[in-house]
Amino acid sequence: QLQLQESGPGLVKPSETLSLTCTVSGGSISGSTYYWGWIRQPPGKGLEWIASIYNIWSSYYNPSLKSRVTISIDTSKNQFSLKLNSVTAADTAVYYCARHGPVLNAIRTFDYWGQGTLVTVSS
Amino acid sequence: QSALTQPASVSGSPGQSITISCTGTSSDVGGYNYVSWYQQHPGKAPKLMIYDVTNRPSGVSNRFSGSKSDNTASLTISGLQSEDEADYYCSSLTRNTALVFGGGTRLTVL
Repeated sequence: QLQLQESGPGLVKPSETLSLTCTVSGGSISGSTYYWGWIRQPPGKGLEWIASIYNIWSSYYNPSLKSRVTISIDTSKNQFSLKLNSVTAADTAVYYCARHGPVLNAIRTFDYWGQGTLVTVSS
Repeated sequence: QSALTQPASVSGSPGQSITISCTGTSSDVGGYNYVSWYQQHPGKAPKLMIYDVTNRPSGVSNRFSGSKSDNTASLTISGLQSEDEADYYCSSLTRNTALVFGGGTRLTVL
């Protein structure tokens, strides 16, 4: 059974960079025909897609966040990561990593999700 | 890109059917058959219920069904059960290869 687990600091200071990693177990990212993505949910609010990646040559970003976001993938560690710079209180949210499936090689659906990790932006 | 429009809340009694709408534009919902629906219980990660407008992943009850007409997609839950009480979100691929979610609908089972 595929499992995803987010990890990273739970508290980030304003103007600094939020960094999260998603570790995938029960399946290999290497050679995978799936995209992998990040989604966030501010407390009490709805879901917002952040970015998705297939390999180092193919990634997609939410236009509203693109200038501040970098998504990367490390197949040797079976991980993919998110960096969001110049954070403010508005970036406080539960951050989820997820697999784009069950359709192969497409970003239109998420079928496996991590449990989510709360990141608070505060000084 | 703007969020898709969903009603803030819907309710129904056990055994009844309810429908949740998700309205977008011709650049997202209306332009592609790539609408998904997710169920989220409090404190939990979302769960995929419907993808590509009408498809149910393995393990999802056939009480859940999806449809689309023009720029509006719909999720119907029949034979409402207490465990269906949750937040529901729609999403769609957009013209510029991005994903957009709806604002979410809280389903209350009376």
